[in-house]
Amino acid sequence: QMQLQESGPGLVKPSETLSLACTVSGGSINGYHWGWIRQSPGKGLEWIGLINLSGPTYYNPSLWGRATISADTSQNQFSLKLTSVTAADTAVYYCGRRTVVAGGWFDAWGQGTLVTVSS
Amino acid sequence: DIQLTQSPSFLSASVGDRVTITCRASQGTNNYLAWYQQKPGNAPRLLIYAASTLQSGVPSRFSGSGSGTEFTLTISSLQPEDFASYYCQQLYSYPLTFGGGTKVEIK
Repeated sequence: QMQLQESGPGLVKPSETLSLACTVSGGSINGYHWGWIRQSPGKGLEWIGLINLSGPTYYNPSLWGRATISADTSQNQFSLKLTSVTAADTAVYYCGRRTVVAGGWFDAWGQGTLVTVSS
Repeated sequence: DIQLTQSPSFLSASVGDRVTITCRASQGTNNYLAWYQQKPGNAPRLLIYAASTLQSGVPSRFSGSGSGTEFTLTISSLQPEDFASYYCQQLYSYPLTFGGGTKVEIK
């Protein structure tokens, strides 16, 4: 069974870049789409973006172009960079696997990692 | 963007109750709608996809229905482990969006 694990700094300073990685084990990242979702403390879920390894990458316009998702198939992982962070970016960040069918759903998730933006 | 409005946002119920949560979309989603359960400190767990298909391993007391712009998640007989938050998500168009969530608490 495929497992996902987020990693990265738990504390980022305002105006700096948040960098997270999601390592996939138990299978290849090829053949799926991969996404990032976040959840601010006590709030709901917000989709950040999605990478299609053989196609385009999609982002939530609400992030105003600050997010970049990339993948490293040799490491079986994908990454998120979010620039110019503010306190509003403090959240638990999840990586997820999306099935590659029309209207595909997120059927596997990492456990999540809390990132706090503070000086 | 497709906006998803969940109702109620909070629900108090007893073990054994039948519970229904509604998700209304601001436009059609071609039934590309999923439901997730989230317990405190845990990642969301997929329950239902394509509006009405039960994910493998999910108890049959969970069901999804609806089409067009109105969808429902029903728990036929609420169990102690079902007290959690529930979210709908549309997967029809980008940006993918979630409903605001429904918290189900013990009465």
